[in-house]
Amino acid sequence: DSGVTQTPKHLITATGQRVTLRCSPRSGDLSVYWYQQSLDQGLQFLIQYYNGEERAKGNILERFSAQQFPDLHSELNLSSLELGDSALYFCASSVGQVGHRGEQYFGPGTRLTVT
Amino acid sequence: SQELEQSPQSLIVQEGKNLTINCTSSKTLYGLYWYKQKYGEGLIFLMMLQKGGEEKSHEKITAKLDEKKQQSSLHITASQPSHAGIYLCGAAVSTGNQFYFGTGTSLTVIP
Repeated sequence: DSGVTQTPKHLITATGQRVTLRCSPRSGDLSVYWYQQSLDQGLQFLIQYYNGEERAKGNILERFSAQQFPDLHSELNLSSLELGDSALYFCASSVGQVGHRGEQYFGPGTRLTVT
Repeated sequence: SQELEQSPQSLIVQEGKNLTINCTSSKTLYGLYWYKQKYGEGLIFLMMLQKGGEEKSHEKITAKLDEKKQQSSLHITASQPSHAGIYLCGAAVSTGNQFYFGTGTSLTVIP
């Protein structure tokens, strides 16, 4: 158990809908990262937050947004969902911020299926 | 294009055999991380390498970083079925803030 929790574990929704994925980092970790893993794209970095502020942005679509709250949990919002958004979404956390990233600890993931 | 390329893509070995997985970057590496993933599950951190020439070992797994070649290798000695899974390298490359993962190597160990 990495100490990172993600909910829900599975999510099935229809195209055009909006969903929210939730992540609680390990105790003491200030950075939260979001990743998308699909068969054709592999593991893609989406976005990073450090202590409530956005620190790095990867291949995140404009339809997707994230935030980190004062209690350090984070949410990833996916809107206007398309079939191609079906993937495993991982959250990871680490102590450090950009430049002192250190190892990241991954949650179990949320499997999103868009039908 | 992939910032981190891994080879081979998949590997099937007999239990007890040694194996090596490579990870090559097209850009300057700022730290290299190795992770293992069981299918459909989260990634488990294995090792972090930060300096050229650095070598780390954990149980029967050894990782090395060749900074000049922008390459890292992961070597497993006397493989066991418990080593099976997908191995991914990850790194921050160049001066960007993005973190990239390699394409992954799927390892099967036959008892």
